Amino acid sequence: SAVISQKPSRDICQRGTSLTIQCQVDSQVTMMFWYRQQPGQSLTLIATANQGSEATYESGFVIDKFPISRPNLTFSTLTVSNMSPEDSSIYLCSVESGHYTDTQYFGPGTRLTVL
Amino acid sequence: KQEVTQIPAALSVPEGENLVLNCSFTDSAIYNLQWFRQDPGKGLTSLLLIQSSQREQTSGRLNASLDKSSGRSTLYIAASQPGDSATYLCAVATGKLIFGQGTTLQVKP
Repeated sequence: SAVISQKPSRDICQRGTSLTIQCQVDSQVTMMFWYRQQPGQSLTLIATANQGSEATYESGFVIDKFPISRPNLTFSTLTVSNMSPEDSSIYLCSVESGHYTDTQYFGPGTRLTVL
Repeated sequence: KQEVTQIPAALSVPEGENLVLNCSFTDSAIYNLQWFRQDPGKGLTSLLLIQSSQREQTSGRLNASLDKSSGRSTLYIAASQPGDSATYLCAVATGKLIFGQGTTLQVKP
């Protein structure tokens, strides 16, 4: 299994500002994922982050709005840029240590409120 | 396009009852199916993972089944307890995880 921590756990931000969320894993992993969970909704994949390459974004998500860094095999950041109230969500990172046959492990999430 | 549906959206049962949560998916080309639990304001905890070649998995009072041909999975919870109250999510792996909307379970003492 993998233990994942996220910082911050929650934040309240003003419209137009940016927030960077950190995700730390206790072991080296190949693939890291960022999800968004809007209020009352299920999880939607934002992007896949592999170390040493550009993140791969899902339809509806763009790098300018959600830039991602993956400097090593245990760490990643997601920035929510130029925030609006519609960005209020829980943002979760997850990891998968191997191929798609493995379980994904999730961090505790970052609860973001944009005023 | 893969779509995952969970029924019911919400469920309330008295303590001790056995219950079944349902998950259906539209495309049978999956690597695996996972059931997760999410407590309010928290992240996800993996409960069971069923590989595409398997029919079921068991962990304690939980049993999950998978019928790829019909695009269905069920999560059976035996002898429910108030501590089982949470939202249960199923997700299929197709190169990425696609989640259902979840079933919010309340077990009343």
